[in-house]
Amino acid sequence: GQSLEQPSEVTAVEGAIVQINCTYQTSGFYGLSWYQQHDGGAPTFLSYNALDGLEETGRFSSFLSRSDSYGYLLLQELQMKDSASYFCAVRDGVTGGGNKLTFGTGTQLKVEL
Amino acid sequence: SAVISQKPSRDICQRGTSLTIQCQVDSQVTMMFWYRQQPGQSLTLIATANQGSEATYESGFVIDKFPISRPNLTFSTLTVSNMSPEDSSIYLCSVVEGGAYNEQFFGPGTRLTVL
Repeated sequence: GQSLEQPSEVTAVEGAIVQINCTYQTSGFYGLSWYQQHDGGAPTFLSYNALDGLEETGRFSSFLSRSDSYGYLLLQELQMKDSASYFCAVRDGVTGGGNKLTFGTGTQLKVEL
Repeated sequence: SAVISQKPSRDICQRGTSLTIQCQVDSQVTMMFWYRQQPGQSLTLIATANQGSEATYESGFVIDKFPISRPNLTFSTLTVSNMSPEDSSIYLCSVVEGGAYNEQFFGPGTRLTVL
C-alpha cells in the first residue's frame, strides 16, 4: 500500500525558516502535493512537484527528490498565521484509477513569538 | 477555483440513526471525493463519486454504511448509516477541476458527533 510519513509536530519562532519533511512509499508516482489546514478549517492546496527540484511560491517552497522518495515544504519568514497542520499527499497513478490522493500523517506547525 | 459548500456544518446524532451530508459545487466537475478526518488525524478517502456511475469505495468502507449519490455534475450526498460513536468525525468533500488531480478543492466539512 501507500504510506507517507511526516514529523508530527514542529515548533519555530516568528520570522524563522522551517522545513517539514515527507517520505513516501507508493507503487507509482505522479506528483507530491502539499496542503495547509487551520484548526476547524478545510485543507487548502499549497504546492505541487511532479519533477525533482524546488518550486517556489512566495514564502513557501516545496522540494522533491524522486530517487529518495522524499520531499519537503519550506516556509520562510514565518508568521503567526502559519500555525496550522501541513499534509503532504501523493498521487500514485495506480489506485483509484490514478486520480486519488493519499495523504501523509500530517505535521502540526506551531509558530511562537 | 471551485467554491464548495456542505450541509450541515455540524450535527449531533443518536446511535443507530443516519445522516445525509450534502456537497454543492459552484461549477461542473467530473470527480468528487469524500473523506473522513478524525480530530488531529490525517484525511482518509472514503470513496470517489463520478457522475453517472457507481461510487468507488476504498478498503474498509462499504456502500451499505456510506451510500453516495451523484445525480449531476455539481452535487453529491454522503449518508452515514446506522451510526455509532466511532463514526464521530469530520466529513469533507473535495473536487478536482479539469485534469489537475494533484490540486483538490475542499468543502468546509461536516462535524459529526454520535452519542
